[in-house]
Amino acid sequence: DARVTQTPRHKVTEMGQEVTMRCQPILGHNTVFWYRQTMMQGLELLAYFRNRAPLDDSGMPKDRFSAEMPDATLATLKIQPSEPRDSAVYFCASGLSYSGGRGETQYFGPGTRLLVL
Amino acid sequence: SQQGEEDPQALSIQEGENATMNCSYKTSINNLQWYRQNSGRGLVHLILIRSNEREKHSGRLRVTLDTSKKSSSLLITASRAADTASYFCATVIRSNDYKLSFGAGTTVTVRA
Repeated sequence: DARVTQTPRHKVTEMGQEVTMRCQPILGHNTVFWYRQTMMQGLELLAYFRNRAPLDDSGMPKDRFSAEMPDATLATLKIQPSEPRDSAVYFCASGLSYSGGRGETQYFGPGTRLLVL
Repeated sequence: SQQGEEDPQALSIQEGENATMNCSYKTSINNLQWYRQNSGRGLVHLILIRSNEREKHSGRLRVTLDTSKKSSSLLITASRAADTASYFCATVIRSNDYKLSFGAGTTVTVRA
């Protein structure tokens, strides 16, 4: 049963600390998305990759957030330094897209629940 | 910015009843998808309807799409307690590649 996995599932940290979240997309999927969900803002797209290349990170605060795909089996989202307003659930999702295709089904991981004190 | 908006924001029904929620969007779309999120979990894809389709079924789910009105509806028939969740519509805007724009969701509570 192929699933997107995310680690850690929960993270409590203090303001100013670095936070790294990891995602393993479903094997064979070529698009990876990072979302943030809060009660106030709902689900926001932070960044996404296709074939490991970053396509859009316009939703991400550039000064403190960074997203990378070191290889096809790992995507990372890093916050440095973290702030209390970063407290949220961060979801990774993966999908299989075809050249010229548009927005096929996304498969979500269980999320990382981040609390910055 | 959100492309889709669900209506109502919240819905409470008795087990066995049908639940209907709507999604309106603003610009031309390639396809529209519905997802479910149980409390504290990731979103789960329910159904995808393409812009050239008008209706689609999957088990107890029925989705309609009216591109002239820029709206879609999700009907859950014979609801069960396990259907208690938030439901989101998501659209792909023609001018944007691959990414989805999610609405704020409809929270459905099914009472036993």
